[in-house]
Amino acid sequence: GAVVSQHPSRVICKSGTSVKIECRSLDFQATTMFWYRQFPKQSLMLMATSNEGSKATYEQGVEKDKFLINHASLTLSTLTVTSAHPEDSSFYICSAMTGGDTQYFGPGTRLTVL
Amino acid sequence: QKEVEQDPGPLSVPEGAIVSLNCTYSNSAFQYFMWYRQYSRKGPELLMYTYSSGNKEDGRFTAQVDKSSKYISLFIRDSQPSDSATYLCAMQDSSASKIIFGSGTRLSIRP
Repeated sequence: GAVVSQHPSRVICKSGTSVKIECRSLDFQATTMFWYRQFPKQSLMLMATSNEGSKATYEQGVEKDKFLINHASLTLSTLTVTSAHPEDSSFYICSAMTGGDTQYFGPGTRLTVL
Repeated sequence: QKEVEQDPGPLSVPEGAIVSLNCTYSNSAFQYFMWYRQYSRKGPELLMYTYSSGNKEDGRFTAQVDKSSKYISLFIRDSQPSDSATYLCAMQDSSASKIIFGSGTRLSIRP
């Protein structure tokens, strides 16, 4: 089946630093990738949708200058949390979609900002 | 009102019991209905994917969709301790792009 990886799986950083999270589709080309955030005991909330080669579409309330998304190739999308603060601590999950309708999820990245 | 409502639980049942998980929704444009299982600190895993109304069975799992009532269910037969996880319902409209998730139900199967 389709496999999506994320790196790193866990990151701890100091407040004010920037953190980059990678999302890769390992055995398929993903025309569209999605980034979600999940706070403890809450559901996944879509942050943005990215299509290869074009700017990401951000959901209402998500700061595009804070959460930079780059979808440089059909197998890689990156999310950079700029000037991270403790309230950005969360579980970040990406998903990738092939030409069909199914989204395949990555294992997630746990970000802790001290 | 949230687009998708799901009881957060926690729900605790003995091993072997039949589990019923449910979601309601308000957007009649939803056409695709999914159930995901999420273990602690892991990404969600797709369990069931159905289109429009009806039933779908896969092993011990059965998904039901009732579009007239805007109500979906997931049944787990012969539940196992390994089924203990958070189950999220999710839906898409006909464009099949953005997924709207329920809040998830925490399920615990007691040995």
